[in-house]
Formats: sequence, structure tokens, C-alpha cells
Amino acid sequence: QVTLKESGPGILQPSQTLSLTCTFSGFSLSTYGMGVGWIRQPSGKGLEWLANIWWDDDKYYNPSLKNRLTISKDTSNNQAFLKITNVDTADTATYYCARIAVMYTTDSYWYFDFWGPGTMVTVSS
Amino acid sequence: DIKMTQSPSSLSASLGERVTISCRASENINNYLSWYQKKEDGSVKLLIYHTSRLQPGAPSRFSGSGSGKDYSLTISGLESEDIATYYCQQGYTLTFGSGTKLEIK
Repeated sequence: QVTLKESGPGILQPSQTLSLTCTFSGFSLSTYGMGVGWIRQPSGKGLEWLANIWWDDDKYYNPSLKNRLTISKDTSNNQAFLKITNVDTADTATYYCARIAVMYTTDSYWYFDFWGPGTMVTVSS
Repeated sequence: DIKMTQSPSSLSASLGERVTISCRASENINNYLSWYQKKEDGSVKLLIYHTSRLQPGAPSRFSGSGSGKDYSLTISGLESEDIATYYCQQGYTLTFGSGTKLEIK
């Protein structure tokens, strides 16, 4: 059974660094082909993909946020992490982590097959 | 970047009714299209991947179709538990549609 759960600070101030943790079970990020992604949803807005990390430590970032994002993993503890630097009120959102599924056709197609419940983060002075 | 335009933004339908939600990509996405359901409690579930493949555990009343730039999600027989917001997502750069909020009439 695949489960994921996000944790974060709840609230932080503008210009600080947001650190998020995704703790998962039912799969391993040391297994070939496995990956975890981060997605967020500001209140009243749509979903926005942020970053992915793969079993081989390959990383992909949303180009519009790339300079502020760092994704990493701790394979032995089944965790993935996301840091966002220099936050402001626009980063207030519910943050989700999700397992990535890959379908190989003529190239590779990614989608998210299991999601955590999300953690709410508020940026406020 | 590939833009995803979803319509309608909201939809009110009766129980048992057939419902269709549309998603258009700004370029050909070669069937790399997924559909997700987000409930009011914040939970998100994958319903459909690769345009028409039903995720195990998703109800069979959900189906997907499309090709090229144009895709759709159909619920054949709306049930009360389907009240949610639905999002499409393309599989190249992972952008989502803006969502369709489904309510009961």
C-alpha cells in the first residue's frame, strides 16, 4: 500500500526558506524507475507542479521557480524534501507530494499516481 | 510552455446525468494526458492516465478520450461522491488545467 504524507512549518515569514518533508511508504526511492514530485495549490487557484526527484538522483524543476527550488531525498528513511528560498505571500499554498508513475511509449510520460493529503503553508509577516 | 485550457470552469448537474469536461492543449501532447479528482477535504486522486486508461480503483463510470490537442473526461451517471474539482495535466512539462468544479443541481 502506497502512502505519502507531507510536513512543513505551517507558517513562516517573508524572505525565509520553506522546508518541506515528504515521508512515504509502500515503495522505495532506491528502486529503479521510482520518483517523487511536489505540487502546490494556492487558495482559490489551480495546481502547479514544482519539482521531481528520481531514484538515480536526477532532478527536474519548474522553470518559472527553478532558481528558488531545491529537491532532495533520504532513501534510507523513505523521505523526499523540498526547499523554497526567499518566500513571499504568493507562496502561501497547500503543498502536496506525490509518487511519479512513468509510462514508456515512444518517449516517457509522467503522471502522479498516489498523492499525500497536503500540508498548508502560510507566508505572513 | 504547453498551456492547458479546461472548460467549463464550473458545472452543475443532476444525479445520474452524464457529464463531460474538456481540456485543450496549446500543442499536440500525443495522448500524454491525465485526469485528477480533488475533493473538498483536499485529497487528490488519479482517475485516468494516457488519455483513456482507468487507474486501478477508480470507478468505471469515469472514462477519458481524445487525441492531439483535445481531450475530455466523461462521468456516465453522476453520483454524489463525484462532487469535486477535476484537473487535467499534460505529461511533457506537467502543467495542469485550471480545474472544473462539479456541483450537484
